[in-house]
Amino acid sequence: GENVEQHPSTLSVQEGDSAVIKCTYSDSASNYFPWYKQELGKRPQLIIDIRSNVGEKKDQRIAVTLNKTAKHFSLHITETQPEDSAVYFCAASRKTHGAGSQGNLIFGKGTKLSVKP
Amino acid sequence: NAGVTQTPKFRILKIGQSMTLQCTQDMNHNYMYWYRQDPGMGLKLIYYSVGAGITDKGEVPNGYNVSRSTTEDFPLRLELAAPSQTSVYFCASRGTGSSYNSPLHFGNGTRLTVT
Repeated sequence: GENVEQHPSTLSVQEGDSAVIKCTYSDSASNYFPWYKQELGKRPQLIIDIRSNVGEKKDQRIAVTLNKTAKHFSLHITETQPEDSAVYFCAASRKTHGAGSQGNLIFGKGTKLSVKP
Repeated sequence: NAGVTQTPKFRILKIGQSMTLQCTQDMNHNYMYWYRQDPGMGLKLIYYSVGAGITDKGEVPNGYNVSRSTTEDFPLRLELAAPSQTSVYFCASRGTGSSYNSPLHFGNGTRLTVT
């Protein structure tokens, strides 16, 4: 079935270093790839997303890259700060009958990022 | 706007009991979703709805039921609770149009324990 693989499951970096999280997806019909940040005990919150017709998107210290041919996408966080510590989830849209690929998401298992001061 | 509101925040059930997890949104969103999140795992879709009166199964619907009588409310029903349903449940909503232009908004979650 459709799935999203996410690596690594845990990542520890020093403050100021960069962090990279990678995801691969299996459904060639996926056309939307969001990233969520979830702090302990809180709801997932969207931090950045990308559509399949775009190769890269940046928002301040966060960037996402997409390689549609290889079916993988990555999250890059530069100049990491302790407040970046959280679990990050990637997701890919899934085609659903009647609603196209609008909305149903398949999530990766998450990456626990720890930024040490 | 309150966004997506879930109640209760916590609940402990005995095996075989039933309960309803409530979800309401005040953003006039057509699409609503129920996800469950097991420890160390991502979110798995239980049920979703594209509008009032329309619901459909997600990846893991067994043991659950939903209804969507209004745009605002999307309750999730557990009829015979089992330990395997111990999880954190998130309700989410979004407007119509592409996911890119109308991303998911999550509620704060309901932590359910079945013993």
